Amino acid sequence: KQEVTQIPAALSVPEGENLVLNCSFTDSAIYNLQWFRQDPGKGLTSLLLIQSSQREQTSGRLNASLDKSSGRSTLYIAASQPGDSATYLCAVGYSSASKIIFGSGTRLSIRP
Amino acid sequence: NAGVMQNPRHLVRRRGQEARLRCSPMKGHSHVYWYRQLPEEGLKFMVYLQKENIIDESGMPKERFSAEFPKEGPSILRIQQVVRGDSAAYFCASSPQTRDEQFFGPGTRLTVL
Repeated sequence: KQEVTQIPAALSVPEGENLVLNCSFTDSAIYNLQWFRQDPGKGLTSLLLIQSSQREQTSGRLNASLDKSSGRSTLYIAASQPGDSATYLCAVGYSSASKIIFGSGTRLSIRP
Repeated sequence: NAGVMQNPRHLVRRRGQEARLRCSPMKGHSHVYWYRQLPEEGLKFMVYLQKENIIDESGMPKERFSAEFPKEGPSILRIQQVVRGDSAAYFCASSPQTRDEQFFGPGTRLTVL
């Protein structure tokens, strides 16, 4: 069964800290992995997309890595700010299907 | 190039009524996907369509739910005889080809009274 797990479910850190969000997935036959941000009651904002042939992607203070062999991805946020507070979703595109499987998300709170 | 458009953004229905949710994919995209997000839960795949064809409906409830993507016009997700448990955010995504990056719309928030 294809599953995507995100740990922890919630995380609270003081402003300025660097932090790592984790995503693990079963079945390494994937075609891409994407990280999204979702604010309460809002839609999805795409943050980073990693193709299966890539190891990492960077955008500003964000860096996402992909290790297919171990079934893991991490989202690194540098110098966190209160505006980073949101739920972060990991989504995996499996090669055997065309749908995306989402993790349940990590709810991040950055304390001023 | 406009993004994925969904309307209405908010929809209120009473139990037993029908709900119709519309999704216009990005220009040049012929693949559409519907996902549902129940309150305090993650997004779950419902159905994948190409023009005039349902490719994968493994996530659709067997009763009351249907989806179409006609040759002309938007994709429609139809929920008949809505119940309170249908209250959720429904997101549509589109891609140019299968297994390409999916681009998401802003969602339709359905509230069933």
